[in-house]
Amino acid sequence: KQEVTQIPAALSVPEGENLVLNCSFTDSAIYNLQWFRQDPGKGLTSLLLIQSSQREQTSGRLNASLDKSSGRSTLYIAASQPGDSATYLCAFETSGSRLTFGEGTQLTVNP
Amino acid sequence: SAVISQKPSRDICQRGTSLTIQCQVDSQVTMMFWYRQQPGQSLTLIATANQGSEATYESGFVIDKFPISRPNLTFSTLTVSNMSPEDSSIYLCSVQQGRQETQYFGPGTRLLVL
Repeated sequence: KQEVTQIPAALSVPEGENLVLNCSFTDSAIYNLQWFRQDPGKGLTSLLLIQSSQREQTSGRLNASLDKSSGRSTLYIAASQPGDSATYLCAFETSGSRLTFGEGTQLTVNP
Repeated sequence: SAVISQKPSRDICQRGTSLTIQCQVDSQVTMMFWYRQQPGQSLTLIATANQGSEATYESGFVIDKFPISRPNLTFSTLTVSNMSPEDSSIYLCSVQQGRQETQYFGPGTRLLVL
């Protein structure tokens, strides 16, 4: 059974700092990895999708990497802003399009 | 990307009653899913909603408790039956056009059972 761990559980940083969120998984038989953000009381917003054959994806200030051999993914946020404050979730797609989610990292960016 | 709406956005219900949640997508999609997010926890897949046939349920979820319909490629419903306070959660639908493509999520339905 796929298990997904996200570290740290919570992170507080000053505005402008670069930061890295970590996600690890136990089963390398994945199809892809998605990173989402969830704002309080809201649904999920898809940030990046990395196919299993890819190693990274970039969108604006966000860069996500995938290393299947080590069972790890990272989300890099450059020049963080208060608007980046949210919970960040990683999820792995396995057979049948099932997404297995991590517990999330709650990010606070202080002005 | 798909635009997904859910109704109701939130509800407060009495134990023993049932609530049906609707999920509407602005375009035809191949796959639709229902997830649950219990307070302070991450998302757990309840089932895959299959058009024209019975939903495929994950371990720990059964049709009698969570009946699902999917009459067409843009609409699905999830019913939470015989509710108890333990059913208090956010229920989210998601859609995916093809395998290994981005899954998009609705805004969620916040359910509180008293």
